Amino acid sequence: QVQLVQSGTEMKKPGASVKISCRASGYIFTDYYIHWVRQAPGEGLEWMGRINADSGGTTYEKHFQGRVTMTSDASVSTAYLEVNRLTSDDTAIYFCARKSRMVPSANWYLDLWGPGTLVTVSS
Amino acid sequence: QSALTQPASVSGSPGQSITISCTGTSSDVGGHNFVSWYQQHPGKAPKLIIFEVNHRPSGVSLRFSGSKSGNTASLTISGLQAGDEADYYCGSYTTRGTLGVFGGGTKLTVL
Repeated sequence: QVQLVQSGTEMKKPGASVKISCRASGYIFTDYYIHWVRQAPGEGLEWMGRINADSGGTTYEKHFQGRVTMTSDASVSTAYLEVNRLTSDDTAIYFCARKSRMVPSANWYLDLWGPGTLVTVSS
Repeated sequence: QSALTQPASVSGSPGQSITISCTGTSSDVGGHNFVSWYQQHPGKAPKLIIFEVNHRPSGVSLRFSGSKSGNTASLTISGLQAGDEADYYCGSYTTRGTLGVFGGGTKLTVL
């Protein structure tokens, strides 16, 4: 079954870090980018960045540069998102989603999404 | 504030058609044909329903269609059904910022 499976709910204190995983199955992991998108409670979708699951190359939305790290491990078909120096504004559901490497980078659409990981930041 | 502008809400009765707009600039929507649309039911992950302005992924109903004119893309849903009630987001490649951007989302209510 083609799917993305994400790690479970996290509760963190302000200033802490969180690392979320996204495990792919049913397709060739390295043929795709993994993108990360977050959604604050009652809000819209916010694109955070992407990682090339083959090369490990990353592109981050400017707003997140320096505070977010995306990594991947092709041996276990898993991508990771780490967010540092958490604040209450980081309380959100974090989604991973895939995009084919076989189409131009500008052809920006996400055809498979994980179920999301809720991260709550509270003292 | 989202870079792409969508109406906050739209509504329609079963069987009717509705259109959701997504307005950007020549740096995103108007500059290429890489606009996508996503449907999100409450508590669920988004689902791709349109890519490259007007292409449907396999399995998506023919009732969903997309178009674009200038800096505005549109999603039309015909023959509204109760199950279409959801939030809808547009997405686009952008040459401003880094790579991609979403609209603020539109809540569709089926009356």
